[in-house]
Amino acid sequence: QSALTQPASVSGSPGQSVTISCTGTSSDVGTYNLVSWYQQFPDKAPKLIIYAVSKRPSGVSDRFSASKSGNTASLTISGVQAEDEADYYCCSFTDSRTFVFGRGTKLTVL
Amino acid sequence: EVQLAQSGAEVKKAGESLKISCEGSTYIFSNYWIAWVRQMPGKGLELMGMIYPGDSDTKYSPPFQGQVTFSADKSISTAYLQWSSLKASDTGVYFCARRADNTFDSWGQGTLVTVSS
Repeated sequence: QSALTQPASVSGSPGQSVTISCTGTSSDVGTYNLVSWYQQFPDKAPKLIIYAVSKRPSGVSDRFSASKSGNTASLTISGVQAEDEADYYCCSFTDSRTFVFGRGTKLTVL
Repeated sequence: EVQLAQSGAEVKKAGESLKISCEGSTYIFSNYWIAWVRQMPGKGLELMGMIYPGDSDTKYSPPFQGQVTFSADKSISTAYLQWSSLKASDTGVYFCARRADNTFDSWGQGTLVTVSS
């Protein structure tokens, strides 16, 4: 199972919207509405910020939103802030009844 | 709030064995899969596999099959990740995470494993 494809890095100025893509295949992202997104700060554990494609856990800012079209899922951070600077990983359920992560995207706030 | 507490950092030599732990609390540990996730230095997250503490059913991701062993003791709400013979390439941070609703909703703080050759 190959890792999902994410851009290595994205950047944005404070207040802008930033979108991170996550491309898989018809064996994972394209078939299952079970895409999740995780935020990870340096030397910290990942934190769930989106599950089931577009649902936010309690306590996660509504500046984080997500969607899916075909084999590609997307995470959008609206009004990006310095505190959002972190690594972001997507993850999808797969035909093999397991999960695959993306390679991760580093968000830089300019 | 679900909590997963992992054992502390380890420094080992190649060829040595190691067992690290992940203790769950504030939820029914037996009822949820526990995943193990590797993060090599400067790299991304890799799912190693999962264990269901209720019956110790295990699923290993192909790259990790035969390389590590998962176990669990539901009586003490603890899952384990074990190596019989470490390699330098096993150096990294290992996270446990709870699988709920087909997502990983809670994570341990991570265990840093350093293996010298």
